[in-house]
Amino acid sequence: GNSVTQMEGPVTLSEEAFLTINCTYTATGYPSLFWYVQYPGEGLQLLLKATKADDKGSNKGFEATYRKETTSFHLEKGSVQVSDSAVYFCALKDFGNEKLTFGTGTRLTIIP
Amino acid sequence: KAGVTQTPRYLIKTRGQQVTLSCSPISGHRSVSWYQQTPGQGLQFLFEYFSETQRNKGNFPGRFSGRQFSNSRSEMNVSTLELGDSALYLCASSFQAENTEAFFGQGTRLTVV
Repeated sequence: GNSVTQMEGPVTLSEEAFLTINCTYTATGYPSLFWYVQYPGEGLQLLLKATKADDKGSNKGFEATYRKETTSFHLEKGSVQVSDSAVYFCALKDFGNEKLTFGTGTRLTIIP
Repeated sequence: KAGVTQTPRYLIKTRGQQVTLSCSPISGHRSVSWYQQTPGQGLQFLFEYFSETQRNKGNFPGRFSGRQFSNSRSEMNVSTLELGDSALYLCASSFQAENTEAFFGQGTRLTVV
């Protein structure tokens, strides 16, 4: 079956630091990949997505590249802000199937 | 365009009771999925409905059920509540076309006492 392995947290960084959150996946098919973010007391918000190999998803300074050869989709941001503090989830969805398989989530805290 | 709306936002129920949660998807979205989020198990898929039919189901006991109406609104029901059912229940809707993403509601926080 499908699975997503995500970097364990929590992660604490200083403002303006470089961020990487690792995500690797196992899938039987050719999935689409997503990063979702969850702020306290809220649902999930889509941060970015990629649907085929070598696609780069980007949004709000965050980027992730779909690497089929390493089955990875690592999230990066060059300079984090306090407002980026949240829980980040990597997820995949098989083609033709609406079910999302999520990683365990990484709690990110940015210190001013 | 309105987002995914879940009601109620918070619920407190007693063990043994049943509960119904509601989800109104984004207009035009016909697929609705439900997820349970707990600190121990993370985000787990419950089921997905499309055009009033359950298309996919996660590994949950039969106490968890759902349905979808002709206007795509969905409800999920949990009967004979257990303490372990305390969780954030999230609903997601999607357009159900290739490579489209799911949009989530704010969730219903269920506490079983």
